[in-house]
Amino acid sequence: QMQLQESGPGLVKPSETLSLTCSVSGGPVSTSNYCWAWIRQPPGKGLEWIASICHGGRTYYKPSLKSRVTISVDTSTNQFSLKLTSATAADTAVYHCVRETEGSSYSYWGQGTLVTVSS
Amino acid sequence: QSALTQPRSVSGSPGQSVTISCTGTSSDVGSSNYVSWYQQHPGKAPKLLIYDVRKWPSGIPDRFSGSKSGNTASLTISGLQAEDEADYYCCAHAGSYYLFGAGTKITVL
Repeated sequence: QMQLQESGPGLVKPSETLSLTCSVSGGPVSTSNYCWAWIRQPPGKGLEWIASICHGGRTYYKPSLKSRVTISVDTSTNQFSLKLTSATAADTAVYHCVRETEGSSYSYWGQGTLVTVSS
Repeated sequence: QSALTQPRSVSGSPGQSVTISCTGTSSDVGSSNYVSWYQQHPGKAPKLLIYDVRKWPSGIPDRFSGSKSGNTASLTISGLQAEDEADYYCCAHAGSYYLFGAGTKITVL
């Protein structure tokens, strides 16, 4: 059974880098059948796609976040990660890691982790 | 890239049908065969209900159905049940990025 679990600091100071890791079980992150993505949800608000990484290292980023975001995969640990630089209060959200059928949909979600950006 | 437009709330009585619209542009919903819908209960992760406009993932009942006309996609819930009370989000693949709708809260009266 596919499972995803986010981990990382729950509190980040403004201007610092928000770093999260997603541990995947039930299948390899190196698969060519799926991509891996990060989606966030500010408190009380809707979902926002941030970035995806697919087989061969192809990456896709939300245009408005592209300059601050990096998504990467570590096949040795079966994890993928998100880095968001120059964090502001607007980046406060529940961050979900997700398995993506490329170009299509998000079939498996992590439970989400709340990251608060505050001094 | 603005969020897709969804009604803020929709309500219905048990057994009724309700429809949620998701309006975008010719650059996203209008040109995409990849519109998906998600259900989210409070405090839970979203759950995939419909993908590729009208397909069902395994385990999703066929009382949830999807369609698209022009720049607007729709999710219809037939035979509304108490457990359908939740937030619903549409999502469209727009070239190299994805757009979500702002979400619709379904209230079962």
